[in-house]
Amino acid sequence: DAGVIQSPRHEVTEMGQEVTLRCKPISGHDYLFWYRQTMMRGLELLIYFNNNVPIDDSGMPEDRFSAKMPNASFSTLKIQPSEPRDSAVYFCASSGSPLAGPTGELFFGEGSRLTVL
Amino acid sequence: AQSVAQPEDQVNVAEGNPLTVKCTYSVSGNPYLFWYVQYPNRGLQFLLKYITGDNLVKGSYGFEAEFNKSQTSFHLKKPSALVSDSALYFCAVSSMEYGNKLVFGAGTILRVKS
Repeated sequence: DAGVIQSPRHEVTEMGQEVTLRCKPISGHDYLFWYRQTMMRGLELLIYFNNNVPIDDSGMPEDRFSAKMPNASFSTLKIQPSEPRDSAVYFCASSGSPLAGPTGELFFGEGSRLTVL
Repeated sequence: AQSVAQPEDQVNVAEGNPLTVKCTYSVSGNPYLFWYVQYPNRGLQFLLKYITGDNLVKGSYGFEAEFNKSQTSFHLKKPSALVSDSALYFCAVSSMEYGNKLVFGAGTILRVKS
């Protein structure tokens, strides 16, 4: 299995531009998570999906952020308009079971490093 | 709310010596505890977990962790450190009361010197 695939790996954009990050989870996994990692705030859960349905988006910082999962093999995280404070590494992770279940293991992608100038 | 504390920003240890990376947690109800490792410019990788049962949990690459309910701790240990163990280590906690969301600690940098 190729693991969780994220694109792009690196993105540099200017303030005000739209940014779209993409994620392909591991086939068969029905949970998908978006995390953001910064030096100041560490790892933050932004949103997670179960069977393509958003379950908890309480970590999404503001309305400029949106996430979709149109099918079981694809998810996007969009920032519009982007701001310098959005600069971070964004991770997608998938899991084959609820965290409290017998597996509870998240499989992370390599991350998308976003720089907003 | 649930939280995780990793009191040490960095741990330095000589190769061949035992290592400990500390983690304490706060959660309502029964905790589910995890350790993940992150190498530079990579995603996090699962090391081990405690859900229930034996307090000593063994995981990947020779790592183990001990769940201590009275001290609300879940320290990561390895009997003999390798230079290749140098990385960023995250402790994480979830619970059914918190909707099974995984909350990560700030991370601890482990440096193993030869």
